[in-house]
Order: sequence, then C-alpha cells, then structure tokens
Amino acid sequence: EVQLVESGGGLVQPGGSLRLSCVASGFTFSSYAMNWVRQAPGKGLEWVSYISGSSRSIYYADSVKGRFTISRDNAKNSVSLQMNSLRDEDTAVYYCARDNWNKFDYWGQGTLVTVSS
Amino acid sequence: QSALTQPASVSGSPGQSITISCTGTNSDVGGSNYVSWYQHHPGRAPKLMIYEVSNRPSGVPDRFSGSKSGNTASLTISGLQAEDEADYYCSSYTSNRVFGGGTKLTVL
Repeated sequence: EVQLVESGGGLVQPGGSLRLSCVASGFTFSSYAMNWVRQAPGKGLEWVSYISGSSRSIYYADSVKGRFTISRDNAKNSVSLQMNSLRDEDTAVYYCARDNWNKFDYWGQGTLVTVSS
Repeated sequence: QSALTQPASVSGSPGQSITISCTGTNSDVGGSNYVSWYQHHPGRAPKLMIYEVSNRPSGVPDRFSGSKSGNTASLTISGLQAEDEADYYCSSYTSNRVFGGGTKLTVL
C-alpha cells in the first residue's frame, strides 16, 4: 500500500525557516518524481515544487522561487522542502504528492505551516 | 503560472448529473492531454479521480467521467450521491503544473 507521511509543520515567525519532510513507503521511491502542493486557509490547491526521481530536474512555482528548496534522499525514501524567508502568505497545509506521468496519484495527509508573529 | 478557471460552486440533487468546467489556454489545457481531476474532502488527502482527460483510476466509480474541447476540460458526475459532496480541482501540465481554483459541489 502506498503511503506518504508528511512532518515538520508548525508555527514560525515571518522571515523564519522551516523544513518539511515526507517519508514514502509501498513503492519504489526512486522511480517516481515527487511534488509539494499547498492549500492556504479558504483557498484552493497550489502546486509548489517538483523533483524528478534522480533529482536531475527541479521546478518551483514563481511564488516560492528563490526561497524554497526541494530535495530528496532515495536511500531514506524521503523528500524534503526547505522553506526560508517565510511570509504570512506561505501559511497553508502542505501536501506531498507522488507524480506518475504528470498526475498526482497519491497524496499524504498534509502538514500545517503557520507563519505569524 | 495562472490558475485554471473553474466555477466556484455547483449543486445538484441526488441522482442528477452535474458538470464542472475547467478553462485554460492553448499553453495548458488546450495544449496537453495531461488534464486530471481531484476530489478533496476537507481534512483529508486529495484523491485522483480522472487522469489524461478521460481515464479513471481503478476504484473510481464510472459515474465520474472527463472530457475536453479546445481549452476547456470538463468533469461530469452522474447519479449524484451524498458522498460526492466535496471540492473538485482540475490540473494540467505543459511546461509545469497548475491547478484550477476549485469548485465546491453541494449535493442538495
């Protein structure tokens, strides 16, 4: 059974940093690209970042480019999102999602990030 | 990376059919067969319902169907059931990934 479990969310002040992690199980992790998707309170889903299975290809939404860094450790079946220079508008539930030929076929339950002073 | 355009809300009675539209441009919906739809119940993980415009993953009821014409994709749910009440999002991929703004489906 495919499982994705996010962790690392919490309360952080504006300008601060946070690192999210997602641990995967139930599939050959290195064979799949992974994404981070977020949902701000009362808003819709917003794609944040993508990383290919080999880490060779990495993409970011314009809203986080230069502040967030995605990475993965295939030996530990994990993908991470380092978030720096956090802003109020980064407050959201962050989901990791498996990318299977340009569809998000499995999602985690999400982890809440709150940016507030 | 503009969001795709969806109606904010749709509603229908049990047993009826509804259609949710998703309008983009030639650069996303119109130029890609990688259009997918997701069901999201608040507090739960989103769920893939349709991929590559009209394909259903195993386990998704055949009451759910997808189509595309030009720059507009559509999700149709026939035989509405109470458990279909949720938020629905379309997504497309060309040079990158983008979601629609979401549509709240209310089953009356």
